[in-house]
Amino acid sequence: KNEVEQSPQNLTAQEGEFITINCSYSVGISALHWLQQHPGGGIVSLFMLSSGKKKHGRLIATINIQEKHSSLHITASHPRDSAVYICAVLSNTGNQFYFGTGTSLTVIP
Amino acid sequence: DAGITQSPRYKITETGRQVTLMCHQTWSHSYMFWYRQDLGHGLRLIYYSAAADITDKGEVPDGYVVSRSKTENFPLTLESATRSQTSVYFCASSEAGIGGANTGELFFGEGSRLTVL
Repeated sequence: KNEVEQSPQNLTAQEGEFITINCSYSVGISALHWLQQHPGGGIVSLFMLSSGKKKHGRLIATINIQEKHSSLHITASHPRDSAVYICAVLSNTGNQFYFGTGTSLTVIP
Repeated sequence: DAGITQSPRYKITETGRQVTLMCHQTWSHSYMFWYRQDLGHGLRLIYYSAAADITDKGEVPDGYVVSRSKTENFPLTLESATRSQTSVYFCASSEAGIGGANTGELFFGEGSRLTVL
């Protein structure tokens, strides 16, 4: 049983396209992260959300607590956005994080 | 340097050998975690620690041992390495807020790529 489900698993886009990655979770949470991992690289948190919406440059993250769903949007995608994007949630009944299996994004010039 | 660092970054060992992966953080975060990342599984929790001298098992603890005698260090030991432990290992940390609950901030080390022959 996966507490966090992401879709799609793989995504290929042309440069400039608008991209959406979805995350659904089944547990009560106190925080949700969107993480980015470049090939062979480390993992960094792009956003931490507990409600509403956040925007950093071309990236937008939204969360709907009632529906237990979050989305990561990338506007005007660029080849440097190619990476694996991972949704992670902090359970509100403990101090552990649960992770999706990631979405592998490739942006073609 | 401030942050969370792992060593070694790359390690090749043989079946049956003991291996220790080190994790050091400079923020004095209460929570520290060890994950392994494998294709098709994503990140899986091996062990975590809520404070010095407090550790607990995660999803895949078999074959691993941890200790946390100091807040800043959280070493992971493979007592007798097996080929199935070939993986990329990530250490992470989080801060505790009021009452000791996890604040939700999450920081990762650079990862340690372990190959067991």
